[in-house]
Amino acid sequence: IAGITQAPTSQILAAGRRMTLRCTQDMRHNAMYWYRQDLGLGLRLIHYSNTAGTTGKGEVPDGYSVSRANTDDFPLTLASAVPSQTSVYFCASSEGQGAYNSPLHFGNGTRLTVT
Amino acid sequence: KNEVEQSPQNLTAQEGEFITINCSYSVGISALHWLQQHPGGGIVSLFMLSSGKKKHGRLIATINIQEKHSSLHITASHPRDSAVYICAVRSNFGNEKLTFGTGTRLTIIP
Repeated sequence: IAGITQAPTSQILAAGRRMTLRCTQDMRHNAMYWYRQDLGLGLRLIHYSNTAGTTGKGEVPDGYSVSRANTDDFPLTLASAVPSQTSVYFCASSEGQGAYNSPLHFGNGTRLTVT
Repeated sequence: KNEVEQSPQNLTAQEGEFITINCSYSVGISALHWLQQHPGGGIVSLFMLSSGKKKHGRLIATINIQEKHSSLHITASHPRDSAVYICAVRSNFGNEKLTFGTGTRLTIIP
C-alpha cells in the first residue's frame, strides 16, 4: 500500500541519548516534512525538504537535524534528547516541489517520551 | 492572536446533524488545508483550496478570501466522523511555513 511509513511507533528515551526517527515514502513525492504535535498547540514544522539533496529549517529546528539523501527517505535525528522533545512526531510528504501547493500525506506518527 | 483560529474547540452532536467547523486566519494566504485526525492519531488530508468551494461525499469546504474565513461542513453526520479537524494555511509571503490551527474535536453521538 502506497504511503508513508514511520518507525518506531513509540519510544521511551533517556535524556542525552541520540535517536533517529525514520520516515520512508513510496509515492515519489518531492517534498517531505517533519512536524511535532504537542497538546494545545498546532502542528509545528521542524524541518523540511523540497527535493532530494536539499533541506530547510522550519519554525522549531533547534535540537534536530535531517538529511535527504534520496527521494524516499527523510530521517529526523535528535543528537542529544531533552525532555522538552517529548512529543508526537509526524512525517509528511507532498507531490509538488515547494511546499503546500498539493495535498499533504502523513505517516502514523512516532510517540517519543524523553525521561 | 494566533494566525489561525478554529471554532468551536469542541463540538458534540447527535448522529444525522449538520456540522459546521470554522477557521479564521489573519494573513494573506495562497492555500488552505483541512485535515482530519482520527482518534488513533493518523492524519488525513480532506481538502486543499484557495477559492470557492469543494465537495467530497458528505464533506463540503468553503473559503471566503476577502473575509479570511473557511468553513468545513459535514452533512448527515455519523459516529465515524468523530475526529479532530484541523485547518492549516500557507501564507502567500513565499516561505515554506504552513500554520496550523489547534483543531476542533468533533464527537458524534449515535
